[in-house]
Amino acid sequence: ETGVTQSPTHLIKTRGQQVTLRCSSQSGHNTVSWYQQALGQGPQFIFQYYREEENGRGNFPPRFSGLQFPNYSSELNVNALELDDSALYLCASSREAGAYGYTFGSGTRLTVV
Amino acid sequence: DAKTTQPTSMDCAEGRAANLPCNHSTISGNEYVYWYRQIHSQGPQYIIHGLKNNETNEMASLIITEDRKSSTLILPHATLRDTAVYYCIAVNTGTASKLTFGTGTRLQVTL
Repeated sequence: ETGVTQSPTHLIKTRGQQVTLRCSSQSGHNTVSWYQQALGQGPQFIFQYYREEENGRGNFPPRFSGLQFPNYSSELNVNALELDDSALYLCASSREAGAYGYTFGSGTRLTVV
Repeated sequence: DAKTTQPTSMDCAEGRAANLPCNHSTISGNEYVYWYRQIHSQGPQYIIHGLKNNETNEMASLIITEDRKSSTLILPHATLRDTAVYYCIAVNTGTASKLTFGTGTRLQVTL
């Protein structure tokens, strides 16, 4: 079975720009969650998509938005980038809203300058 | 989800057992204890989880106290490749089960 793949692996953007990060979920998984991990910190939950609907959201502003597609892959969009958005963005997929544990991708390292 | 408390860092000699403690004194009856680890620059990796009973798999053992207020992750024969940050997380799998990561325990395995 294939694991979770994220693209791109690294990205540099300018403050104020918009970015789209992509995630392909593991085969058989219908749930995708996104996390932000600042340097030296644990990952922080952004939101979860279950069967193409948002199924929970963390304490992140509306400029963080997402989508899940019929094949259960997902996108994370961040508008009006700020310097503090620089972080590792992790995607995790699971079956049935996380009832059976999560498989994480290796993340996208976003740097905002 | 219940808050968990872990030591900031631990050292372990290669070949010895690494015992990583976690306190979750406010855990509720329907919350599982999950352990993940994160090796530098990679995504977190699932290790093991349990509710009440002790659990063992090919990676580790999980010992949960009878009152469920604490647990210990045991790596029976630590190797250098086990050097990582280990996260203990209480998860209610009946709801949108987000993972609330703390700062974890940084385990350093040495020769």
